[in-house]
Amino acid sequence: EIVMTQSPATLSVSPGERATLSCRASQSVSSNLAWYQQKPGQAPRLLIYGASTRASDIPARFSGSGSGTEFTLTISSLQSEDFAVYYCQHYTDWLWTFGQGTKVDIK
Amino acid sequence: QITLKESGPTLVKPTQTLTLTCTFSGFSLSTYGVGVGWIRQPPGKALEWLAVIYWDDDNRYSPSLKRRLTITKDISKNEVVLTMTNMAPADTATYYCTLVRSAHDDYWGQGTLVTVSS
Repeated sequence: EIVMTQSPATLSVSPGERATLSCRASQSVSSNLAWYQQKPGQAPRLLIYGASTRASDIPARFSGSGSGTEFTLTISSLQSEDFAVYYCQHYTDWLWTFGQGTKVDIK
Repeated sequence: QITLKESGPTLVKPTQTLTLTCTFSGFSLSTYGVGVGWIRQPPGKALEWLAVIYWDDDNRYSPSLKRRLTITKDISKNEVVLTMTNMAPADTATYYCTLVRSAHDDYWGQGTLVTVSS
């Protein structure tokens, strides 16, 4: 079973600064990697799929990179609405595996 | 417009069986490649994928929960049902259903909180 490990657990960032979130897979997942944003009381929202493709209506300040076992989500200039928990997810047709999440909070 | 909505009990007792229903609209679970999955999230914790069922009745389960889960579908009612046996307090979570179709799909129900307590 593939294990997804995210770091750091919490990232404190000032508005306008860049945030870099990491996700590591225990074995290669090719580019079958997505990033989700979740705010309290809400369902997750898809940000990135295929490791680097932004989902519909996602602002350009969100970008994803990586392949194989190492992935990064970058938020180029944090806005107030970006403070949330972010999850990486490995997906296949029949199995999804989530990381434990990175909370981005206000510094 | 695609929608999904979870329904079921909000409180179950330990050892009981949980039955959750996902009622959906805007797509057909008889269409090639389409599936509906279940994911849960304990309070303050991470997301955990549970199960998925596809248009052709293929179903897959989380390896760690496989023995406790059953997923079925009713095409005529546009429903997917998840049952989980032998519930315990650690199963307290918000349970979501979601459309599984292509990598760029992002359709989730609002989630339903299930508390396991005597």
